[in-house]
Amino acid sequence: SQKIEQNSEALNIQEGKTATLTCNYTNYSPAYLQWYRQDPGRGPVFLLLIRENEKEKRKERLKVTFDTTLKQSLFHITASQPADSATYLCALRYSGAGSYQLTFGKGTKLSVIP
Amino acid sequence: DAGVIQSPRHEVTEMGQEVTLRCKPISGHDYLFWYRQTMMRGLELLIYFNNNVPIDDSGMPEDRFSAKMPNASFSTLKIQPSEPRDSAVYFCASSWALGVRETQYFGPGTRLLVL
Repeated sequence: SQKIEQNSEALNIQEGKTATLTCNYTNYSPAYLQWYRQDPGRGPVFLLLIRENEKEKRKERLKVTFDTTLKQSLFHITASQPADSATYLCALRYSGAGSYQLTFGKGTKLSVIP
Repeated sequence: DAGVIQSPRHEVTEMGQEVTLRCKPISGHDYLFWYRQTMMRGLELLIYFNNNVPIDDSGMPEDRFSAKMPNASFSTLKIQPSEPRDSAVYFCASSWALGVRETQYFGPGTRLLVL
């Protein structure tokens, strides 16, 4: 079965620095990968999608990379702010599956310290 | 649009009771998903619908769980009878497409506690 690991349960970083979160997967390469943000007591909010044939995608201060050789995606937040503090989830959609499955990692809780 | 609406936001019940969770997706979205989130297992897909038709319910844990979508603007997830291990946050999400144009919009969730 597919397995997704996000590098750590929690990450603390100083305001202004770049936060880097890791998502590793096993077995098949996904057709695409998504990153979501989840605040306490709320549902996840979609941030970015990157396809298997894309190496990098950017949106404002966010950057996602996708390395199918390493089976890894990196999620970067540049010039981090306390408002970026949240749990970030990666989710993978595998091609060729019998039916739809968007499989989520357990998330990394990011705390940006002023 | 008000986004995905779920009710109730919190539910406390006793073991053996029936629980019904409700969801109103975003208008125009053809796909509706039910997820369950726990600390141990993270976010898990239970079932999803396309145009009100259940497509894949392989994530439903057992026969005690059932889901319906009688029309495009309403879905229910029912647990009967409920057990303490069903305690979790249940999310409903909707999307107008699957694939690379997919964006799932999640509701605020229903926090269920079964005593």
